[in-house]
Amino acid sequence: AQSVTQLDSHVSVSEGTPVLLRCNYSSSYSPSLFWYVQHPNKGLQLLLKYTSAATLVKGINGFEAEFKKSETSFHLTKPSAHMSDAAEYFCVVSFTSGTYKYIFGTGTRLKVLA
Amino acid sequence: DGGITQSPKYLFRKEGQNVTLSCEQNLNHDAMYWYRQDPGQGLRLIYYSQIVNDFQKGDIAEGYSVSREKKESFPLTVTSAQKNPTAFYLCASSRASETQYFGPGTRLLVL
Repeated sequence: AQSVTQLDSHVSVSEGTPVLLRCNYSSSYSPSLFWYVQHPNKGLQLLLKYTSAATLVKGINGFEAEFKKSETSFHLTKPSAHMSDAAEYFCVVSFTSGTYKYIFGTGTRLKVLA
Repeated sequence: DGGITQSPKYLFRKEGQNVTLSCEQNLNHDAMYWYRQDPGQGLRLIYYSQIVNDFQKGDIAEGYSVSREKKESFPLTVTSAQKNPTAFYLCASSRASETQYFGPGTRLLVL
């Protein structure tokens, strides 16, 4: 069965320090992996996606993620947090099995302290 | 400006009432989706449509209905059979089974 797990429901960092949001998946198929960000009462915005090209994926706003097949992980990182990064982040998996379905993680709420 | 619009931003439903949430896209995407978001949970798929005049149930379709008469539009009706409709509803669209792009959402509240 396909699933995605975000290992932390809440993460707090100080402004200017690194961000690490963790995501693990399980799949029998070759996955496509995404990170989306959601600010309060807004829709989801695509940060980055992995679709079997380079394993290190660069996204918008200085975020990047590394696909590690051996660890079935797709962790999101940013070298230096900004106050505007405070939001909820979703790891999403889609499987190349001919379906249109996304499987969402339960989200990680990032708090950035001044 | 290409994108996905949802209206209204807030919607209030009375007991026993059906309400319809609008979703429009001008991205020329074939596929459209409706999701429900509850606090502390990921998004759950209600319905999706891969092509005009066709749609499929998602994981939580009970109490909801949709139509897809035009490529640009995919309205969602929350019927009186949905006993717990209070949630944030998100519409998305994509080209075939590619990356999904989301609208700004509609928050539905029960009076």
